[in-house]
Amino acid sequence: DTGVSQNPRHKITKRGQNVTFRCDPISEHNRLYWYRQTLGQGPEFLTYFQNEAQLEKSRLLSDRFSAERPKGSFSTLEIQRTEQGDSAMYLCASSSPYDSPLHFGNGTRLTVT
Amino acid sequence: DAKTTQPTSMDCAEGRAANLPCNHSTISGNEYVYWYRQIHSQGPQYIIHGLKNNETNEMASLIITEDRKSSTLILPHATLRDTAVYYCIAPDSGTYKYIFGTGTRLKVLA
Repeated sequence: DTGVSQNPRHKITKRGQNVTFRCDPISEHNRLYWYRQTLGQGPEFLTYFQNEAQLEKSRLLSDRFSAERPKGSFSTLEIQRTEQGDSAMYLCASSSPYDSPLHFGNGTRLTVT
Repeated sequence: DAKTTQPTSMDCAEGRAANLPCNHSTISGNEYVYWYRQIHSQGPQYIIHGLKNNETNEMASLIITEDRKSSTLILPHATLRDTAVYYCIAPDSGTYKYIFGTGTRLKVLA
Protein backbone atom coordinates (compact mmCIF):
# COMPACT_ATOMS: atom_id res chain seq x y z
CA ASP A 1 0.00 0.00 0.00
CA THR A 2 1.56 3.29 -1.04
CA GLY A 3 -0.90 5.57 0.71
CA VAL A 4 -0.26 8.06 3.50
CA SER A 5 0.85 6.25 6.65
CA GLN A 6 0.35 7.59 10.16
CA ASN A 7 1.71 6.20 13.40
CA PRO A 8 0.62 5.40 15.97
CA ARG A 9 -3.06 4.82 15.17
CA HIS A 10 -4.05 5.38 18.77
CA LYS A 11 -2.36 7.16 21.64
CA ILE A 12 -3.56 7.47 25.21
CA THR A 13 -1.61 9.84 27.41
CA LYS A 14 -1.96 11.58 30.72
CA ARG A 15 -2.45 15.31 30.91
CA GLY A 16 0.85 17.14 30.95
CA GLN A 17 2.78 14.55 28.96
CA ASN A 18 4.35 15.18 25.57
CA VAL A 19 3.34 13.18 22.51
CA THR A 20 4.72 12.90 18.98
CA PHE A 21 2.98 11.61 15.89
CA ARG A 22 4.55 10.60 12.62
CA CYS A 23 3.28 10.92 9.05
CA ASP A 24 4.84 9.26 6.01
CA PRO A 25 3.38 10.87 2.88
CA ILE A 26 3.01 9.29 -0.52
CA SER A 27 6.43 9.09 -2.11
CA GLU A 28 7.37 12.21 -4.10
CA HIS A 29 4.47 14.25 -2.77
CA ASN A 30 6.02 17.59 -1.88
CA ARG A 31 2.96 19.06 -0.13
CA LEU A 32 2.02 17.88 3.33
CA TYR A 33 -0.83 18.96 5.62
CA TRP A 34 -1.82 18.33 9.21
CA TYR A 35 -5.45 18.57 10.26
CA ARG A 36 -7.26 17.98 13.54
CA GLN A 37 -10.76 16.55 13.81
CA THR A 38 -13.03 16.36 16.83
CA LEU A 39 -16.21 14.33 17.10
CA GLY A 40 -18.97 15.51 14.79
CA GLN A 41 -16.84 18.18 13.15
CA GLY A 42 -15.00 18.39 9.87
CA PRO A 43 -11.21 18.39 9.84
CA GLU A 44 -9.59 21.70 10.89
CA PHE A 45 -6.40 22.89 9.22
CA LEU A 46 -3.32 22.99 11.44
CA THR A 47 -0.29 23.46 9.23
CA TYR A 48 1.15 23.09 5.74
CA PHE A 49 4.58 22.10 4.43
CA GLN A 50 5.94 22.46 0.96
CA ASN A 51 8.98 20.20 0.89
CA GLU A 52 10.76 20.97 4.18
CA ALA A 53 9.42 24.52 4.52
CA GLN A 54 6.50 25.15 6.86
CA LEU A 55 4.59 27.77 4.89
CA GLU A 56 1.42 28.16 6.89
CA LYS A 57 0.23 27.60 10.45
CA SER A 58 -3.25 27.94 11.87
CA ARG A 59 -3.99 30.14 14.84
CA LEU A 60 -5.21 26.87 16.37
CA LEU A 61 -1.60 25.76 16.56
CA SER A 62 -0.62 27.06 19.98
CA ASP A 63 2.93 27.28 21.29
CA ARG A 64 2.55 23.75 22.62
CA PHE A 65 2.29 22.39 19.10
CA SER A 66 5.24 22.02 16.75
CA ALA A 67 5.58 20.30 13.43
CA GLU A 68 8.62 19.45 11.38
CA ARG A 69 9.37 17.92 8.03
CA PRO A 70 13.10 17.33 7.86
CA LYS A 71 14.44 16.70 4.36
CA GLY A 72 10.97 17.12 2.94
CA SER A 73 9.99 13.51 3.51
CA PHE A 74 8.17 12.32 6.66
CA SER A 75 6.71 14.77 9.13
CA THR A 76 6.23 14.81 12.88
CA LEU A 77 3.69 16.66 14.99
CA GLU A 78 4.57 17.14 18.65
CA ILE A 79 2.23 18.32 21.38
CA GLN A 80 3.86 19.39 24.62
CA ARG A 81 2.12 19.46 28.01
CA THR A 82 -1.02 17.85 26.62
CA GLU A 83 -4.42 19.03 27.80
CA GLN A 84 -7.75 17.23 27.71
CA GLY A 85 -8.87 19.59 24.96
CA ASP A 86 -6.16 18.14 22.72
CA SER A 87 -8.09 14.88 22.50
CA ALA A 88 -8.91 14.50 18.80
CA MET A 89 -8.05 12.69 15.60
CA TYR A 90 -4.90 14.10 13.99
CA LEU A 91 -4.89 13.65 10.24
CA CYS A 92 -2.05 13.98 7.78
CA ALA A 93 -2.52 14.49 4.04
CA SER A 94 -0.14 14.79 1.13
CA SER A 95 -0.38 15.99 -2.43
CA SER A 96 1.78 16.72 -5.43
CA PRO A 97 1.31 19.55 -7.90
CA TYR A 98 -0.91 22.42 -6.88
CA ASP A 99 -4.61 21.69 -7.53
CA SER A 100 -4.04 17.96 -7.13
CA PRO A 101 -6.32 16.41 -4.49
CA LEU A 102 -5.10 15.74 -0.98
CA HIS A 103 -4.66 12.11 0.04
CA PHE A 104 -5.32 11.50 3.71
CA GLY A 105 -3.97 8.93 6.11
CA ASN A 106 -6.24 7.19 8.63
CA GLY A 107 -5.09 9.46 11.41
CA THR A 108 -3.81 9.17 14.95
CA ARG A 109 -6.50 9.24 17.61
CA LEU A 110 -5.24 10.98 20.74
CA THR A 111 -6.95 10.58 24.09
CA VAL A 112 -5.72 12.73 26.96
CA THR A 113 -6.83 11.50 30.38
CA ASP B 1 -12.17 31.86 4.98
CA ALA B 2 -13.56 30.25 1.89
CA LYS B 3 -16.76 28.55 2.87
CA THR B 4 -18.85 25.69 1.58
CA THR B 5 -22.31 24.89 2.84
CA GLN B 6 -23.99 21.51 2.67
CA PRO B 7 -27.16 19.98 4.11
CA THR B 8 -26.54 18.30 7.42
CA SER B 9 -28.01 14.96 6.47
CA MET B 10 -29.71 13.07 3.66
CA ASP B 11 -31.27 9.63 3.18
CA CYS B 12 -31.21 7.64 -0.04
CA ALA B 13 -32.72 4.28 -0.95
CA GLU B 14 -30.28 1.58 -1.94
CA GLY B 15 -29.90 1.36 -5.71
CA ARG B 16 -31.14 4.89 -6.30
CA ALA B 17 -29.03 7.90 -7.22
CA ALA B 18 -27.78 10.02 -4.34
CA ASN B 19 -27.49 13.72 -5.20
CA LEU B 20 -25.49 15.72 -2.69
CA PRO B 21 -25.51 19.51 -3.13
CA CYS B 22 -22.88 22.02 -2.08
CA ASN B 23 -22.81 25.81 -2.20
CA HIS B 24 -19.42 27.47 -2.68
CA SER B 25 -20.33 31.01 -3.70
CA THR B 26 -16.98 32.50 -2.58
CA ILE B 27 -14.82 30.24 -4.69
CA SER B 28 -12.40 31.99 -7.05
CA GLY B 29 -12.41 31.45 -10.78
CA ASN B 30 -9.34 29.25 -10.92
CA GLU B 31 -9.97 27.15 -7.82
CA TYR B 32 -11.13 23.58 -7.91
CA VAL B 33 -13.92 22.04 -5.85
CA TYR B 34 -13.03 18.74 -4.20
CA TRP B 35 -15.28 16.06 -2.77
CA TYR B 36 -14.32 13.61 -0.06
CA ARG B 37 -16.14 11.10 2.07
CA GLN B 38 -15.34 9.80 5.51
CA ILE B 39 -16.37 6.61 7.18
CA HIS B 40 -16.09 6.43 10.95
CA SER B 41 -12.53 6.07 12.25
CA GLN B 42 -10.94 6.52 8.82
CA GLY B 43 -9.38 9.49 7.11
CA PRO B 44 -11.29 11.35 4.39
CA GLN B 45 -11.26 9.49 1.08
CA TYR B 46 -10.90 11.49 -2.13
CA ILE B 47 -13.81 11.06 -4.56
CA ILE B 48 -13.62 13.60 -7.38
CA HIS B 49 -12.75 17.21 -8.17
CA GLY B 50 -13.59 19.73 -10.84
CA LEU B 51 -13.10 23.30 -12.04
CA LYS B 52 -15.73 24.23 -14.60
CA ASN B 53 -16.71 21.18 -16.58
CA ASN B 54 -18.70 18.26 -15.29
CA GLU B 55 -16.54 15.32 -14.28
CA THR B 56 -17.11 11.58 -13.97
CA ASN B 57 -14.97 8.79 -12.62
CA GLU B 58 -15.56 5.25 -11.41
CA MET B 59 -16.91 6.48 -8.08
CA ALA B 60 -19.16 9.41 -8.91
CA SER B 61 -20.14 12.30 -11.16
CA LEU B 62 -19.70 15.97 -10.37
CA ILE B 63 -21.98 18.63 -11.82
CA ILE B 64 -20.77 22.22 -11.44
CA THR B 65 -23.10 25.12 -12.23
CA GLU B 66 -22.05 27.56 -14.90
CA ASP B 67 -21.55 30.36 -12.37
CA ARG B 68 -19.48 27.91 -10.25
CA LYS B 69 -21.34 28.87 -7.11
CA SER B 70 -22.59 25.38 -6.46
CA SER B 71 -22.04 21.77 -7.37
CA THR B 72 -23.72 18.40 -6.95
CA LEU B 73 -22.06 15.08 -6.30
CA ILE B 74 -23.96 12.18 -7.82
CA LEU B 75 -23.57 8.59 -6.69
CA PRO B 76 -25.50 6.87 -9.51
CA HIS B 77 -26.47 3.66 -7.72
CA ALA B 78 -26.04 4.08 -3.99
CA THR B 79 -25.12 1.03 -1.92
CA LEU B 80 -25.11 0.53 1.83
CA ARG B 81 -21.32 1.00 1.76
CA ASP B 82 -21.85 4.57 0.54
CA THR B 83 -23.20 5.51 3.98
CA ALA B 84 -20.69 8.13 5.14
CA VAL B 85 -20.12 11.84 5.74
CA TYR B 86 -19.50 13.66 2.46
CA TYR B 87 -17.45 16.85 2.37
CA CYS B 88 -17.27 19.44 -0.36
CA ILE B 89 -14.14 21.60 0.06
CA ALA B 90 -12.38 24.44 -1.68
CA PRO B 91 -9.07 26.18 -1.13
CA ASP B 92 -9.05 29.37 0.90
CA SER B 93 -7.97 32.11 -1.49
CA GLY B 94 -4.56 33.54 -0.76
CA THR B 95 -3.66 30.72 1.62
CA TYR B 96 -2.66 27.10 1.37
CA LYS B 97 -5.62 25.93 3.45
CA TYR B 98 -8.48 23.72 2.37
CA ILE B 99 -11.52 24.43 4.50
CA PHE B 100 -13.85 21.63 5.57
CA GLY B 101 -17.37 22.29 6.78
CA THR B 102 -19.41 19.78 8.77
CA GLY B 103 -20.36 17.84 5.65
CA THR B 104 -23.49 15.88 4.74
CA ARG B 105 -24.22 12.67 6.58
CA LEU B 106 -25.62 10.35 3.89
CA LYS B 107 -27.51 7.31 5.03
CA VAL B 108 -28.30 4.68 2.41
CA LEU B 109 -31.36 2.68 3.38
CA ALA B 110 -31.95 -0.95 2.46
